[in-house]
Amino acid sequence: EVQLVESGGGLVQPGGSLRLSCAASGFTFSSDGMHWVRQAPGKGLEWISYISRSSDTIHYADSVKGRFTISRDNAKNSVSLQMNSLRGEDTALYYCTKGPNQWGRFDFWGQGTLVTVSS
Amino acid sequence: EVVLTQSPATLSLSPGERATLSCRASQSVDIYVSWYQHKPGQAPRLLIYDASNRATGIPARFSGSGSGTDFTLTISSLEPEDFAVYYCQQRRNWPPLTFGGGTKVEIK
Repeated sequence: EVQLVESGGGLVQPGGSLRLSCAASGFTFSSDGMHWVRQAPGKGLEWISYISRSSDTIHYADSVKGRFTISRDNAKNSVSLQMNSLRGEDTALYYCTKGPNQWGRFDFWGQGTLVTVSS
Repeated sequence: EVVLTQSPATLSLSPGERATLSCRASQSVDIYVSWYQHKPGQAPRLLIYDASNRATGIPARFSGSGSGTDFTLTISSLEPEDFAVYYCQQRRNWPPLTFGGGTKVEIK
């Protein structure tokens, strides 16, 4: 059974940092590309970052470029999102998703982890 | 950036009725549109990829069509579990990957 389990969310002050993690199981992690997608309260889905299976291709949405860093560890079947300089508009439910490598589609999603940026 | 516009924003239907959801792209995305179902408190689920291919385990009542700039998701006969928000998403020109604003299918 495919599982993606996110962790690391919480309450953080504006300007602060947070590191999200996603533990993967039930599939060959090193074969798939991984993404982070978020949903702000009452809003739709927003793609924010992608990392290829071998980490040689990384993309970010303009809204997080220069502040967020995606990484993965194929030995540990995990992907992370380091979030710095957080803003109120980063408040959202953050989903870890997977898809075919280099293809921008999301075959499976985790349940999400909530990030709240507020003083 | 490719902008996807979904219509209508809300669709009020009864179980057993046919649902037709639209997604229009600001430029051609060939066939590279996926559709996702999202229920409150749950993870989104891939329904359709590359315009018309059902994902694994998706019932045959869900179908997708279209190419270029106009795409449609059809639910042939609504089941109680189908009431949810549906998003289209394109992968023709990325980054960024983009989603439509969603269509809420609610019980009439």
